[in-house]
Amino acid sequence: GAVVSQHPSWVICKSGTSVKIECRSLDFQATTMFWYRQFPKQSLMLMATSNEGSKATYEQGVEKDKFLINHASLTLSTLTVTSAHPEDSSFYICSAPNIQAYNSPLHFGNGTRLTVT
Amino acid sequence: AQSVAQPEDQVNVAEGNPLTVKCTYSVSGNPYLFWYVQYPNRGLQFLLKYITGDNLVKGSYGFEAEFNKSQTSFHLKKPSALVSDSALYFCAVRDMGGELTGGGNKLTFGTGTQLKVEL
Repeated sequence: GAVVSQHPSWVICKSGTSVKIECRSLDFQATTMFWYRQFPKQSLMLMATSNEGSKATYEQGVEKDKFLINHASLTLSTLTVTSAHPEDSSFYICSAPNIQAYNSPLHFGNGTRLTVT
Repeated sequence: AQSVAQPEDQVNVAEGNPLTVKCTYSVSGNPYLFWYVQYPNRGLQFLLKYITGDNLVKGSYGFEAEFNKSQTSFHLKKPSALVSDSALYFCAVRDMGGELTGGGNKLTFGTGTQLKVEL
């Protein structure tokens, strides 16, 4: 089945540094990827839609300069948390639809646990 | 706009008993409906979907869900719960009229229901 790989699975960084999270579709092409943030015991909050070859679409309230998204190829999207602060600590999850497979569900990465100290 | 409601934050069930996790939805057109399961510190795993056809949909791990258009519901069910079913369950909806490309594939998720199956 379709697989989405997310890396790293966890990261600890110091306040003020930047962290890059990668999301790869391993066996299908993903022109679109979605980035979510999940707080403890809460639902997924869609942050942005990543579009291959064009700018990402951010949801209301998400800072574009804070959460940089790049979708440079049909199999890779990256989320960079810039100048991270402790309040950015969260669980970040990416997902991608396999549009070649009609009515395919979204395929999710295993998430990245970010802790900013 | 589309929305999903999962009215129960937590459902507790004894192993071997049937379980139901509730979900209601709202879309402007016809819905695509999905159930996902999340284990601690993991991404979401697809369980089942309703696109069209039979109202009773069978999915992974013995789960099934019943689409009820008049009640706009898509409750998740399993005849006999296992302790290993304990996890966080999300219902999601997409408007069938949305395009498959770009943001049209965007799902709206419910707030999740924590299922706890005890011996």
